[in-house]
Amino acid sequence: KAGVTQTPRYLIKTRGQQVTLSCSPISGHRSVSWYQQTPGQGLQFLFEYFSETQRNKGNFPGRFSGRQFSNSRSEMNVSTLELGDSALYLCASSFTSGAYNEQFFGPGTRLTVL
Amino acid sequence: QQQVKQSPQSLIVQKGGISIINCAYENTAFDYFPWYQQFPGKGPALLIAIRPDVSEKKEGRFTISFNKSAKQFSLHIMDSQPGDSATYFCAASSPLVGATNKLIFGTGTLLAVQP
Repeated sequence: KAGVTQTPRYLIKTRGQQVTLSCSPISGHRSVSWYQQTPGQGLQFLFEYFSETQRNKGNFPGRFSGRQFSNSRSEMNVSTLELGDSALYLCASSFTSGAYNEQFFGPGTRLTVL
Repeated sequence: QQQVKQSPQSLIVQKGGISIINCAYENTAFDYFPWYQQFPGKGPALLIAIRPDVSEKKEGRFTISFNKSAKQFSLHIMDSQPGDSATYFCAASSPLVGATNKLIFGTGTLLAVQP
Protein backbone atom coordinates (compact mmCIF):
# COMPACT_ATOMS: atom_id res chain seq x y z
CA LYS A 1 0.00 0.00 0.00
CA ALA A 2 1.40 3.38 -0.94
CA GLY A 3 2.01 5.77 1.93
CA VAL A 4 0.92 9.35 2.36
CA THR A 5 2.29 11.54 -0.39
CA GLN A 6 2.80 15.28 -0.23
CA THR A 7 3.60 17.65 -3.04
CA PRO A 8 5.66 19.58 -3.57
CA ARG A 9 8.44 18.44 -1.24
CA TYR A 10 10.17 21.81 -1.24
CA LEU A 11 8.86 25.29 -1.89
CA ILE A 12 10.40 28.74 -1.77
CA LYS A 13 8.11 31.76 -1.69
CA THR A 14 8.42 35.43 -0.84
CA ARG A 15 6.52 37.39 1.76
CA GLY A 16 2.99 38.33 0.73
CA GLN A 17 2.59 35.47 -1.70
CA GLN A 18 0.22 32.59 -1.21
CA VAL A 19 0.91 28.87 -1.40
CA THR A 20 -1.06 25.66 -1.82
CA LEU A 21 0.19 22.34 -0.52
CA SER A 22 -1.27 18.99 -1.49
CA CYS A 23 -1.69 15.73 0.39
CA SER A 24 -2.83 12.34 -0.90
CA PRO A 25 -3.79 10.02 1.94
CA ILE A 26 -3.36 6.27 2.06
CA SER A 27 -5.99 4.56 -0.06
CA GLY A 28 -9.15 4.02 1.99
CA HIS A 29 -8.28 6.65 4.59
CA ARG A 30 -10.90 9.35 4.97
CA SER A 31 -9.30 11.58 7.60
CA VAL A 32 -6.51 14.02 6.80
CA SER A 33 -4.83 16.20 9.42
CA TRP A 34 -2.26 18.91 8.88
CA TYR A 35 0.55 19.89 11.25
CA GLN A 36 3.18 22.59 11.19
CA GLN A 37 6.64 21.65 12.44
CA THR A 38 9.19 24.31 13.40
CA PRO A 39 12.31 24.18 15.60
CA GLY A 40 10.82 26.72 17.98
CA GLN A 41 7.21 25.59 18.30
CA GLY A 42 7.56 21.89 17.50
CA LEU A 43 4.63 20.05 15.97
CA GLN A 44 1.40 22.01 16.05
CA PHE A 45 -2.02 20.89 14.84
CA LEU A 46 -3.48 23.00 12.06
CA PHE A 47 -6.74 21.27 11.15
CA GLU A 48 -8.39 17.96 10.35
CA TYR A 49 -10.73 17.06 7.53
CA PHE A 50 -12.99 14.04 7.46
CA SER A 51 -15.41 13.30 4.64
CA GLU A 52 -14.83 16.76 3.19
CA THR A 53 -15.72 18.50 6.48
CA GLN A 54 -13.37 20.33 8.79
CA ARG A 55 -13.58 18.51 12.14
CA ASN A 56 -11.20 20.60 14.21
CA LYS A 57 -8.95 23.60 13.87
CA GLY A 58 -5.82 24.62 15.76
CA ASN A 59 -4.80 28.09 16.91
CA PHE A 60 -3.63 29.50 13.63
CA PRO A 61 -4.73 32.71 11.91
CA GLY A 62 -7.34 32.69 9.18
CA ARG A 63 -4.56 32.91 6.57
CA PHE A 64 -4.28 29.16 6.99
CA SER A 65 -7.09 27.25 5.35
CA GLY A 66 -7.71 23.85 3.90
CA ARG A 67 -10.15 21.65 2.11
CA GLN A 68 -10.74 18.04 1.31
CA PHE A 69 -12.04 16.56 -1.90
CA SER A 70 -14.41 13.67 -2.43
CA ASN A 71 -11.46 11.32 -3.07
CA SER A 72 -10.05 12.32 0.38
CA ARG A 73 -7.14 14.24 -1.09
CA SER A 74 -6.55 17.44 0.81
CA GLU A 75 -5.00 20.80 0.18
CA MET A 76 -3.94 23.51 2.55
CA ASN A 77 -3.51 27.12 1.59
CA VAL A 78 -1.55 29.86 3.26
CA SER A 79 -2.24 33.38 2.06
CA THR A 80 -0.17 36.52 2.59
CA LEU A 81 2.90 34.56 3.62
CA GLU A 82 5.03 35.79 6.50
CA LEU A 83 8.62 34.89 7.34
CA GLY A 84 7.36 32.96 10.36
CA ASP A 85 5.41 30.61 8.11
CA SER A 86 8.66 28.92 7.12
CA ALA A 87 8.23 25.39 8.37
CA LEU A 88 7.80 21.75 7.52
CA TYR A 89 4.13 21.12 6.83
CA LEU A 90 3.10 17.55 7.57
CA CYS A 91 0.00 15.77 6.49
CA ALA A 92 -1.29 12.70 8.33
CA SER A 93 -4.00 10.32 7.26
CA SER A 94 -6.05 7.80 9.17
CA PHE A 95 -8.88 5.45 8.35
CA THR A 96 -11.40 7.43 10.35
CA SER A 97 -11.63 10.28 12.82
CA GLY A 98 -11.37 9.85 16.58
CA ALA A 99 -8.85 9.93 19.39
CA TYR A 100 -7.45 6.43 19.07
CA ASN A 101 -6.75 6.17 15.38
CA GLU A 102 -3.22 5.58 14.17
CA GLN A 103 -2.14 8.47 12.03
CA PHE A 104 0.29 7.93 9.18
CA PHE A 105 2.42 10.93 8.32
CA GLY A 106 3.77 11.94 4.96
CA PRO A 107 7.32 13.21 4.44
CA GLY A 108 6.19 16.83 4.57
CA THR A 109 6.53 19.92 2.43
CA ARG A 110 9.41 22.19 3.40
CA LEU A 111 8.24 25.78 2.91
CA THR A 112 10.77 28.60 2.99
CA VAL A 113 9.49 32.17 2.98
CA LEU A 114 12.02 34.82 1.97
CA GLN B 1 -3.45 22.88 30.10
CA GLN B 2 -3.18 21.63 26.55
CA GLN B 3 0.60 21.21 26.80
CA VAL B 4 2.63 18.06 26.93
CA LYS B 5 6.05 18.63 28.49
CA GLN B 6 8.88 16.40 27.27
CA SER B 7 12.39 15.86 28.60
CA PRO B 8 15.24 15.66 28.00
CA GLN B 9 15.69 17.78 24.90
CA SER B 10 18.58 15.58 23.80
CA LEU B 11 20.04 12.29 24.93
CA ILE B 12 23.23 10.40 24.21
CA VAL B 13 23.28 6.69 25.02
CA GLN B 14 25.86 4.00 24.40
CA LYS B 15 24.94 1.04 22.23
CA GLY B 16 23.21 -1.57 24.35
CA GLY B 17 22.13 0.94 26.96
CA ILE B 18 18.64 2.03 28.00
CA SER B 19 17.19 5.28 26.64
CA ILE B 20 14.52 6.92 28.77
CA ILE B 21 12.36 9.84 27.65
CA ASN B 22 9.77 11.41 29.92
CA CYS B 23 6.56 13.31 29.31
CA ALA B 24 4.06 15.03 31.59
CA TYR B 25 0.62 16.45 30.96
CA GLU B 26 -1.97 18.51 32.81
CA ASN B 27 -5.22 17.85 30.98
CA THR B 28 -6.91 14.89 32.65
CA ALA B 29 -9.17 14.54 29.61
CA PHE B 30 -6.23 13.13 27.63
CA ASP B 31 -6.62 9.39 27.32
CA TYR B 32 -4.49 8.33 24.37
CA PHE B 33 -0.73 8.66 24.49
CA PRO B 34 1.27 7.70 21.38
CA TRP B 35 4.98 7.96 20.82
CA TYR B 36 6.33 8.89 17.41
CA GLN B 37 9.79 8.40 15.93
CA GLN B 38 11.09 10.78 13.28
CA PHE B 39 14.19 10.35 11.15
CA PRO B 40 15.70 13.30 9.25
CA GLY B 41 13.79 14.05 6.07
CA LYS B 42 10.88 11.83 7.06
CA GLY B 43 7.54 12.34 8.71
CA PRO B 44 6.90 11.00 12.22
CA ALA B 45 5.97 7.32 12.45
CA LEU B 46 3.95 5.75 15.25
CA LEU B 47 6.14 3.66 17.51
CA ILE B 48 3.86 2.58 20.32
CA ALA B 49 0.77 3.94 22.08
CA ILE B 50 -0.95 3.48 25.44
CA ARG B 51 -4.24 4.30 27.09
CA PRO B 52 -4.54 5.05 30.82
CA ASP B 53 -6.25 1.77 31.68
CA VAL B 54 -2.85 0.04 31.72
CA SER B 55 0.36 1.07 33.49
CA GLU B 56 2.77 -0.46 31.01
CA LYS B 57 2.87 -1.58 27.40
CA LYS B 58 5.76 -3.35 25.75
CA GLU B 59 6.46 -3.91 22.07
CA GLY B 60 9.83 -5.46 21.38
CA ARG B 61 12.54 -3.24 22.78
CA PHE B 62 10.13 -0.35 23.36
CA THR B 63 8.13 0.06 26.57
CA ILE B 64 5.75 2.78 27.68
CA SER B 65 5.32 3.26 31.42
CA PHE B 66 2.24 5.23 32.47
CA ASN B 67 1.56 6.85 35.85
CA LYS B 68 -1.97 8.19 35.82
CA SER B 69 -1.88 9.76 39.29
CA ALA B 70 1.30 11.67 38.48
CA LYS B 71 0.10 12.45 34.94
CA GLN B 72 3.38 11.24 33.54
CA PHE B 73 4.42 8.69 30.97
CA SER B 74 7.76 7.59 29.64
CA LEU B 75 9.35 5.68 26.78
CA HIS B 76 12.07 3.16 27.52
CA ILE B 77 14.21 1.82 24.70
CA MET B 78 16.06 -1.28 25.82
CA ASP B 79 19.30 -2.42 24.19
CA SER B 80 19.51 0.87 22.28
CA GLN B 81 21.03 0.58 18.80
CA PRO B 82 22.61 3.17 16.49
CA GLY B 83 19.61 2.69 14.19
CA ASP B 84 17.41 4.07 17.00
CA SER B 85 19.09 7.47 16.61
CA ALA B 86 16.18 9.77 15.77
CA THR B 87 13.89 12.38 17.27
CA TYR B 88 11.17 11.02 19.53
CA PHE B 89 7.91 12.80 20.24
CA CYS B 90 5.34 11.98 22.85
CA ALA B 91 1.79 13.07 22.16
CA ALA B 92 -1.66 13.07 23.70
CA SER B 93 -5.21 13.35 22.52
CA SER B 94 -8.65 13.52 24.03
CA PRO B 95 -11.85 12.01 22.69
CA LEU B 96 -13.75 14.86 24.30
CA VAL B 97 -12.62 17.32 21.66
CA GLY B 98 -15.28 16.40 19.15
CA ALA B 99 -13.81 12.95 18.55
CA THR B 100 -11.08 14.13 16.21
CA ASN B 101 -7.56 13.08 15.41
CA LYS B 102 -5.98 16.18 16.97
CA LEU B 103 -2.69 15.30 18.65
CA ILE B 104 -0.86 17.53 21.13
CA PHE B 105 2.85 16.86 20.77
CA GLY B 106 5.73 17.22 23.19
CA THR B 107 8.74 19.23 22.09
CA GLY B 108 10.79 16.23 21.03
CA THR B 109 13.94 14.43 22.19
CA LEU B 110 16.91 14.00 19.90
CA LEU B 111 18.41 10.61 20.68
CA ALA B 112 21.91 9.68 19.59
CA VAL B 113 23.07 6.12 20.20
CA GLN B 114 26.83 5.84 20.02
CA PRO B 115 28.36 2.61 18.69
